[in-house]
Amino acid sequence: GESVGLHLPTLSVQEGDNSIINCAYSNSASDYFIWYKQESGKGPQFIIDIRSNMDKRQGQRVTVLLNKTVKHLSLQIAATQPGDSAVYFCAEMTSGTYKYIFGTGTRLKVLA
Amino acid sequence: NAGVTQTPKFRILKIGQSMTLQCTQDMNHNYMYWYRQDPGMGLKLIYYSVGAGITDKGEVPNGYNVSRSTTEDFPLRLELAAPSQTSVYFCASSNGDRDHTDTQYFGPGTRLTVL
Repeated sequence: GESVGLHLPTLSVQEGDNSIINCAYSNSASDYFIWYKQESGKGPQFIIDIRSNMDKRQGQRVTVLLNKTVKHLSLQIAATQPGDSAVYFCAEMTSGTYKYIFGTGTRLKVLA
Repeated sequence: NAGVTQTPKFRILKIGQSMTLQCTQDMNHNYMYWYRQDPGMGLKLIYYSVGAGITDKGEVPNGYNVSRSTTEDFPLRLELAAPSQTSVYFCASSNGDRDHTDTQYFGPGTRLTVL
């Protein structure tokens, strides 16, 4: 069935550097994508979303890029801070359904 | 607003026991979801609801039941607990805005162990 997966299970970056977390999806009908952040012992928290009619969307220190040709999206975090340490999930959904499919997650470790 | 609340926070069950995980939201959201998260894994959708009186199966519904008698509450029922149901369970709600941002708000989770 359709699935959303991530390339890297763990990413370690130096404080102040930029982080890039990648996600691949297999369902070409998916048209809505969300990035979540999950800190230890907590529920996921919405970071940023993007619809398939866009290639790029920026938030505060975060940017999501969507490449529909290769079914890939990425989350870029600028000037990574210790508070960014968490597990990041991408999720996809197809319009007309109400089901979000989550990837397995990438753990981001920020090194001081 | 309290957001999404879940009870209990932790629970240990014996095989074959039953229990209900409670979920309540005070944001007047129509859409509510139940997910389970196994260690080191992403979230898998168990059941969801698009409004009071309407529920539907997600990816992994077997062994679970839900009801949605009010907009606020979306309890998840385990009838015959099995070790495979050991997991962390998250409830979420959203406004279901398909034209703009459909932010899902998650509860703090219930950690369930079946022995």
